[in-house]
Amino acid sequence: QSALTQEASVSGTVGQKVTLSCSGNTNNIGGYAVDWYQQISHGAPKTVMFGNSLPSGISDRFSGSKSGTTASLTISGLQPEDEADYYCSTWDYSLSGRVFGGGTKLTVL
Amino acid sequence: QVTLRESGPALVKPTQTLTLTCTLSGFSIGASGMCVSWIRQPPGKALEWLARIDWDDDEFYSTSLKTRLTISKDTFKNQVVLTMTNTDPVDTATYFCARTFIPAGGSPGIDYWGQGTLVTVSS
Repeated sequence: QSALTQEASVSGTVGQKVTLSCSGNTNNIGGYAVDWYQQISHGAPKTVMFGNSLPSGISDRFSGSKSGTTASLTISGLQPEDEADYYCSTWDYSLSGRVFGGGTKLTVL
Repeated sequence: QVTLRESGPALVKPTQTLTLTCTLSGFSIGASGMCVSWIRQPPGKALEWLARIDWDDDEFYSTSLKTRLTISKDTFKNQVVLTMTNTDPVDTATYFCARTFIPAGGSPGIDYWGQGTLVTVSS
């Protein structure tokens, strides 16, 4: 069981806006910035949100936010190439280690 | 251009020790704020964090695996090595190394990933 909780699956149509969520606690999301990674067809993950920053080369259709112990990744203007697994991750103070969510499979209809 | 490249055996027998090397390019593991993490992903499953080593030699390990893992770095070769003892078929996974950066006053975050290397543990 993952330390961070994500939806197992989310779907949306082309052009739609979708929001993926990531729930944790005060030891992790509540105290640290959250990253988001995109993994297409079980290839190498790619960072699409580094804390509050958009990495170089990542579309500005991606945005991240956090409120308390829940983080969100919003994808605007959904495109077919956004179909992938998305993982959230952050540091956990009590574990002195990094934790991941179980991943959300995003399907573009 | 930041790149990370994993290397190591594709197949190990149960109980053997697995040694994986991550070769870094485009940044130095000795530079302030720079760290390297190892993450693995069993087939069809989620990502699992294993260990991290920092520019100042701090080491961090997964609670569940810490008795079996050792992470080390060679600043001159700009490499990070992960060893895992007493391997088991459940350790079969793709192993990724990733750059972790700690901005001044900020939280550690992973910004670049290697391509990963598939390791199968089987007799």
